[in-house]
Amino acid sequence: AQSVTQLGSHVSVSEGALVLLRCNYSSSVPPYLFWYVQYPNQGLQLLLKYTTGATLVKGINGFEAEFKKSETSFHLTKPSAHMSDAAEYFCAVSREGTGFQKLVFGTGTRLLVSP
Amino acid sequence: KAGVTQTPRYLIKTRGQQVTLSCSPISGHRSVSWYQQTPGQGLQFLFEYFSETQRNKGNFPGRFSGRQFSNSRSEMNVSTLELGDSALYLCASSLARDEQYFGPGTRLTVT
Repeated sequence: AQSVTQLGSHVSVSEGALVLLRCNYSSSVPPYLFWYVQYPNQGLQLLLKYTTGATLVKGINGFEAEFKKSETSFHLTKPSAHMSDAAEYFCAVSREGTGFQKLVFGTGTRLLVSP
Repeated sequence: KAGVTQTPRYLIKTRGQQVTLSCSPISGHRSVSWYQQTPGQGLQFLFEYFSETQRNKGNFPGRFSGRQFSNSRSEMNVSTLELGDSALYLCASSLARDEQYFGPGTRLTVT
């Protein structure tokens, strides 16, 4: 079965500092990997995804993530945090080749940005 | 292009009642998935529909059911509500296998 582990339920950074949110996955088949962001009282917004090809993936709002198969990781980074980045972030994995959609989510990491 | 819409946005029900939630996918999207989000269990997959057929179901009791109509709109129903059913219910639609677009969710409170 597939699973996702997000290290750290809360991450605090100062505005302008590097953002690093960690995600490790477990999958017996090549995974599709995603990062979603959720603002209070809203749904999930896709930040970026990895399916195949280039392992460094760039997303919206200056975020990027690198797929490292040897480390089974897909960490999310942003060089300089903005106050507007404060939200909850979810890493997710889906299963290739099944013909259906099912995302398995991590438990989420709340990003706090201080001035 | 309009995004995924869910109605109602907020709902309060009493234990034992049933509830129906509605989801309209992005135009052209034929796959609709439902997720439950709670503080304790996080985001969990309920089921997915494609062309009016349920393709996959998560580990939820039979009180949770859904359907999809020919225009791809989907509904989910929860019967005999329990306090633990209080959650944010999210609907997502997709065109291709690799990307899902989420609606704002329906916040269900069971008292």
